[in-house]
Amino acid sequence: ETGVTQTPRHLVMGMTNKKSLKCEQHLGHNAMYWYKQSAKKPLELMFVYSLEERVENNSVPSRFSPECPNSSHLFLHLHTLQPEDSALYLCASSQDRQRNVLTFGAGSRLTVL
Amino acid sequence: AQSVTQLGSHVSVSEGALVLLRCNYSSSVPPYLFWYVQYPNQGLQLLLKYTTGATLVKGINGFEAEFKKSETSFHLTKPSAHMSDAAEYFCAVSDRGNYQLIWGAGTKLIIKP
Repeated sequence: ETGVTQTPRHLVMGMTNKKSLKCEQHLGHNAMYWYKQSAKKPLELMFVYSLEERVENNSVPSRFSPECPNSSHLFLHLHTLQPEDSALYLCASSQDRQRNVLTFGAGSRLTVL
Repeated sequence: AQSVTQLGSHVSVSEGALVLLRCNYSSSVPPYLFWYVQYPNQGLQLLLKYTTGATLVKGINGFEAEFKKSETSFHLTKPSAHMSDAAEYFCAVSDRGNYQLIWGAGTKLIIKP
């Protein structure tokens, strides 16, 4: 499989649940990103991993916990979320030296009840 | 801080008509400029980019954009709209020394038959 693949595509969870979003890329990229997309708002960069090391964390609440076990995989662990966390979560990848040319996955639509 | 403004959260055009989506940025130093497109239920994909050189940039699917330094603009155009162009379009910029993307809020393009 090529490109950036995200699973699950849809997730509904209660505020006390623990779940994880998964992202996988087969493009040979060495930087990976989590973005939050909410309606009528600019994309919000959450985390950046470069060469498996977290290089950016944009004041994201601790209920979101990223993990990058290798350059092809990225996870977002979710715990004790709030209804306002409902959004589309997009994973992207790039070459580290070209971080403005991103390849995105189709996203995971999260609904927090 | 750098900012990006996309005029109009929704733009509606008839099939075959000119498409014009507006983007203005705030930097006094010309940044790198990008348009990304998001088709329904998909992630974003790069449509075109401007880094240096010719100010008229051609992208995929017949779209083009022109960098106008005096107007701090990078408007996206297509001479003749197609039903398949219905999507949300995002303008983004990055500074030349820092590759992090700053995103506009997006413009949803609606094509009327």
